[in-house]
Amino acid sequence: DIQMTQSPSTLSASVGDRVTITCRASQRISSWLAWYQQKPGKAPKLLIYKASSLESGVPSTFSGSGSGTEFTLTISSLQPDDFATYYCQQYSSSSPTFGQGTKVEIK
Amino acid sequence: QVQLVQSGAEVKKPGASVKVSCKASGYTFTSFGISWVRQAPGQGLEWMGWISTYKGNRNYAQKFQGRVSMTIDTSTSTAYMELRSLRSDDTAVYYCARDKVGTTVTVFDSWGQGSLVTVSS
Repeated sequence: DIQMTQSPSTLSASVGDRVTITCRASQRISSWLAWYQQKPGKAPKLLIYKASSLESGVPSTFSGSGSGTEFTLTISSLQPDDFATYYCQQYSSSSPTFGQGTKVEIK
Repeated sequence: QVQLVQSGAEVKKPGASVKVSCKASGYTFTSFGISWVRQAPGQGLEWMGWISTYKGNRNYAQKFQGRVSMTIDTSTSTAYMELRSLRSDDTAVYYCARDKVGTTVTVFDSWGQGSLVTVSS
């Protein structure tokens, strides 16, 4: 299986901050990468697919970049609703795998 | 709007089986595949497998091969996931999720609310 590693595991930030989360794949996955947001007790929500395509209805403060093995999710100006856990997911192989998650908490 | 509604929480003993349902509405059921993803308490997301709602072909994660079965009922737009030989480490919230594409597993653009399965003696 392709291993996905996110960093950092936890991130403390303030409203208005620019936040960047990194996801690395154990082998090249082209641009077959998605990002999800999950709040406690809720199902994940798709934010970004194909590394940089914004899912419909997702604020433009979210953006994704990267290809190959290194990817980033950027929140340009952190809003109160953005405090959550974020997961990357590769779908280059027939067995999708997720990163371990990055918790964005209030500083 | 797209909606996936899952069955309720279950408590099972080790060695038993559990079957979770996922009823879809708001879209053409046979146009998008369904995956199952689980999340143990306080842990991350783990993909279990995918089923084509059009052809019924399946793709299971190697970890669950032989222990999981995914089926569909197109007459009721419902997907099912059965997990057998339950162990305590199968305690988790189980989600069904609609694939953004119909022909293979990709990304998941709609999710059920989750079904908590607790395995305890």
